[in-house]
Amino acid sequence: AQSVSQHNHHVILSEAASLELGCNYSYGGTVNLFWYVQYPGQHLQLLLKYFSGDPLVKGIKGFEAEFIKSKFSFNLRKPSVQWSDTAEYFCAVNAPAAGNKLTFGGGTRVLVKP
Amino acid sequence: DTAVSQTPKYLVTQMGNDKSIKCEQNLGHDTMYWYKQDSKKFLKIMFSYNNKELIINETVPNRFSPKSPDKAHLNLHINSLELGDSAVYFCASSQDQTGGRGYTFGSGTRLTVV
Repeated sequence: AQSVSQHNHHVILSEAASLELGCNYSYGGTVNLFWYVQYPGQHLQLLLKYFSGDPLVKGIKGFEAEFIKSKFSFNLRKPSVQWSDTAEYFCAVNAPAAGNKLTFGGGTRVLVKP
Repeated sequence: DTAVSQTPKYLVTQMGNDKSIKCEQNLGHDTMYWYKQDSKKFLKIMFSYNNKELIINETVPNRFSPKSPDKAHLNLHINSLELGDSAVYFCASSQDQTGGRGYTFGSGTRLTVV
């Protein structure tokens, strides 16, 4: 079964700082990769997804993620964060050949100080 | 126009009661899911239905019983509620069971068992 790990549980940074959140998964086959954001008190919203093609994926709100197959990683980045980026970020993986269960990482809580 | 809608948004109930959470999607998707988010924000899949047929049934107490009257609806009934059932329950849908085109989540139902 696949698993997903997010290395940082909490990240605190100031506005305009750059953000990178790590995500690694454990599954040797083909995967679909996702990053979701959950703003305080709200539901999960899709930031971006990777299915195939260009490993550098651009999403909404200025986020991007890079799939590095050799490292089983799908790290999320944003060059300059805003206070409104304060949220919980979840990496998720779905492996079509392994039951198609969308498996989430433990989440990273990001706090952006104004 | 809400794509995936859950009711109720909040549910406070006493131990031992039986309660239901309803979910409806108007996206024309074939597959629907229930996820549980615990107090530490960890998200775990509970059930998945594809075209009214159960396809994923994780290790969940049999007090939890999903029901899908049609492919646009997936309800969750919980018998004999326990304190540990307190969590946020998210409904989601995807175009098909591969999830290859992404998942859409509802806004969640916060269940508090007292």
